[in-house]
Parts: sequence; structure tokens; C-alpha cells
Amino acid sequence: EDQVTQSPEALRLQEGESSSLNCSYTVSGLRGLFWYRQDPGKGPEFLFTLYSAGEEKEKERLKATLTKKESFLHITAPKPEDSATYLCAVHTNAGKSTFGDGTTLTVKP
Amino acid sequence: ETGVTQTPRHLVMGMTNKKSLKCEQHLGHNAMYWYKQSAKKPLELMFVYSLEERVENNSVPSRFSPECPNSSHLFLHLHTLQPEDSALYLCASSQDRVGGRATGELFFGEGSRLTVL
Repeated sequence: EDQVTQSPEALRLQEGESSSLNCSYTVSGLRGLFWYRQDPGKGPEFLFTLYSAGEEKEKERLKATLTKKESFLHITAPKPEDSATYLCAVHTNAGKSTFGDGTTLTVKP
Repeated sequence: ETGVTQTPRHLVMGMTNKKSLKCEQHLGHNAMYWYKQSAKKPLELMFVYSLEERVENNSVPSRFSPECPNSSHLFLHLHTLQPEDSALYLCASSQDRVGGRATGELFFGEGSRLTVL
């Protein structure tokens, strides 16, 4: 059975304090790993797709990396507007997507 | 209108009511999805339509009935729901490329917050 585990469940940072979110996965035949951002009361917003180990993607203060077992979402010098829940999802060769529980990030000014 | 639009944004219904959720996508995608999001639980896939044909039904109770009249519109018909069905219902779309299976990148609407009394 495909499994996605995100940690920590919640993360509180001071503005400017860099950190990383983790997404560990166990799947049979990874087609892609996706990161989404979800603000309260809204639907998830697509951030990144990673397809193979060693791949990295960047967008503003966010950088996503992928290994054969996990992905990290690095947040550099976060700002309060980066506060949100970050969701990780894996998509398999069988065409199935499995989401993690998410990490809720709070950045205090 | 751009992206994926869901209506209504909020819905309160009794257990004996019949209501429908509507989703419309303006992205030219050919696959549409219903997901359920409950507190403290990961997103649960309910239904998938690819090229207007239902390709996946994840053991969803029959009190939820999807309808996809064309590639741009998706409905979720609700009847005799239970209080535990209260949740955020999210519609998403994607572009199928290989063998009728989506490639994974999903575009979500803002959701319909359902409360069953």
C-alpha cells in the first residue's frame, strides 16, 4: 500500500528563520512527487513537481528536493505570508495519487 | 472566470435534504476529480472522471452520486447524508496524457464547505 508521511505536523518559525519540511514515501512505481500549498478555507495550490531522485525545483523562498525515499521543502528566510499548510502527494505509475496529512507552517513577524 | 470554480462555497443541509455541488473548470483539462477533506485527515479521493467517463470510485457510499455531463462540468449530488459527511469537498482537474490516466498535477477549486445537521 502506498504511504506518504509528512513531518512535522506543525512548525512555528520566526520571520527569517529557515527550516525544512519532510515528506517520506513508500510507493510502488513513483511517477512524480508533488508539493501543494493550502491556505485556510481554500483549495490546495500546486507548487512543484519532482520526477526523479536528485531533482531540485525552486520558487522564491521555497526549494524542493527529492531522494528515493523522501522529499524536503526548504524554506529560506520565511515571511508571515508563507504561513499555510503544505501538502505532499505522490503519483504512481498505476495512476493513483496519495496525499500526506500536511505540515502547518506558522511564521511569526 | 479562470481556473476551477466551485459552488456553493458553503452549504448547510439536514440529513433528509437533497442538494448538489457544482464544479466548472476553464483550463481545457480532460479529467476531473472529487476529493473530501476532513479535519486531521489527508485528502481522500472520491471519484475520477477522465474524458467524461468515470474511471474511479473509491468505495464511496451511494448517498454521494457524481455526474459529469462534459469535460468542463462536474456535479456531486447529495442525499440523505450523515453528520460525519461534514467536510470540505474539493473539485480538481488535470490533463490526461497516457492511457486515460492523469499525470498527477492537480488544479483545485476553493472547495465547498458542507455541514450536515
